Amino acid sequence: DVKVTQSSRYLVKRTGEKVFLECVQDMDHENMFWYRQDPGLGLRLIYFSYDVKMKEKGDIPEGYSVSREKKERFSLILESASTNQTSMYLCASKPTLGETQYFGPGTRLLVL
Amino acid sequence: GDSVTQMEGPVTLSEEAFLTINCTYTATGYPSLFWYVQYPGEGLQLLLKATKADDKGSNKGFEATYRKETTSFHLEKGSVQVSDSAVYFCALRVNRDDKIIFGKGTRLHILP
Repeated sequence: DVKVTQSSRYLVKRTGEKVFLECVQDMDHENMFWYRQDPGLGLRLIYFSYDVKMKEKGDIPEGYSVSREKKERFSLILESASTNQTSMYLCASKPTLGETQYFGPGTRLLVL
Repeated sequence: GDSVTQMEGPVTLSEEAFLTINCTYTATGYPSLFWYVQYPGEGLQLLLKATKADDKGSNKGFEATYRKETTSFHLEKGSVQVSDSAVYFCALRVNRDDKIIFGKGTRLHILP
C-alpha cells in the first residue's frame, strides 16, 4: 500500500513565525503536490514537484515556498505565517506514469 | 480554462436511499475524470475513475459514467449506508500535464 505521511495532524502557530510542513511518501513516486483545502473552495494547488530539486508553482503559490532535497520528502514552508494561511494542508504523490494521486491525512494549521 | 462544477452540499439522505451527485466539467482536450472521497479526519482517496468517453468507473457500489456529449460524470449509488458519509470531490486531469483540477466538494450525510 502507498503511504503518504505528514509530520503533524494539528499545528498552532503565531503570525510571523516560519512554519515547516513535512510530507514523506514510501513508494518512490517522482511527483509530489501540496494543496490547501478550505470550505467552499475545495482543493487548491500550491506547489508541485516532478523530481528531486524541481518545483513548479501551482495556482496559489504566494506566501509559500517548497523544498525537495530527497525524492521521498516534500516540504512546504510558510516564510512568515499569516492568519489567512489558516487552513487544512494536504500532500499527495503519484508516479510519473500514473494518474492517481495518493494523499496524506492532512495537517490542520491554525495561525493566531 | 479547465474547470469542474459539482452540486453544492450538504446532501442529506436516509440509509438505503438512492444517491446522485452531479458533476460537469469544462476542458480542452480529452480529460481523465475522477471521484475522490474524504472520510472524516482523513485525506482524500480515489473512489473511481474513467479515462475515455463512455467508460464507467465503479467501486464500493458507486458508479459514474464519462459522458462526453453532456460533459458530465455524475456519481451514483443505489443504496447508501451511514458509512458513506463523507465529502466527495469530482476531478479532472487533462493529459497535457500532471495537475488535477478538483471541484469544490459535496458533503454527504447519511441518516440511520
